[in-house]
Amino acid sequence: QKEVEQNSGPLSVPEGAIASLNCTYSDRVSQSFFWYRQYSGKSPELIMSIYSNGDKEDGRFTAQLNKASQYVSLLIRDSQPSDSATYLCALGPNAGKSTFGDGTTLTVKP
Amino acid sequence: DADVTQTPRNRITKTGKRIMLECSQTKGHDRMYWYRQDPGLGLRLIYYSFDVKDINKGEISDGYSVSRQAQAKFSLSLESAIPNQTALYFCATSPRGGDTEAFFGQGTRLTVV
Repeated sequence: QKEVEQNSGPLSVPEGAIASLNCTYSDRVSQSFFWYRQYSGKSPELIMSIYSNGDKEDGRFTAQLNKASQYVSLLIRDSQPSDSATYLCALGPNAGKSTFGDGTTLTVKP
Repeated sequence: DADVTQTPRNRITKTGKRIMLECSQTKGHDRMYWYRQDPGLGLRLIYYSFDVKDINKGEISDGYSVSRQAQAKFSLSLESAIPNQTALYFCATSPRGGDTEAFFGQGTRLTVV
């Protein structure tokens, strides 16, 4: 079992819809969780971090964390074509190292 | 200018050649990392360094070596390149301690023919 599992993609949503990206993890020690966005051929960039159970909102993005269920999600409201990218879920750092999921590719269709 | 700079950005090399990828940072971070990304496989850790004298293997270190020349510089070498090392390589940094995110360089696309 991988340490970080993301829902298999690709995920396609129409413009204006809510995109839901999910991630489960196996390491109960993890205290910090991150969502990165990566455009094709570009480097990952942080869009959300979450450390406590519950929801954290930043503009159109909401991260949700449930440590008991070992589950973290990212909701993108009012999805735009510019949101089309691969989203990486990451745990870390544990002993200084982050662990990344394989990513979910999102396509927002105009 | 980027805080984490990788050179070269693109490289094509032949099987058996030695190649070095370089990374420099102006963020003042102690920790530096080299990742490899293949399509659909996310980021896999090759090597990481917590300071100049502390270098550690990651999950896929075979066929690679690194050098931490200074706090700001961390280079990755492929001693004898092989085609399955064709990938996108990223350098990243993070500050010492705390639960903070990684900051990535622009990436190096390496093709081994």
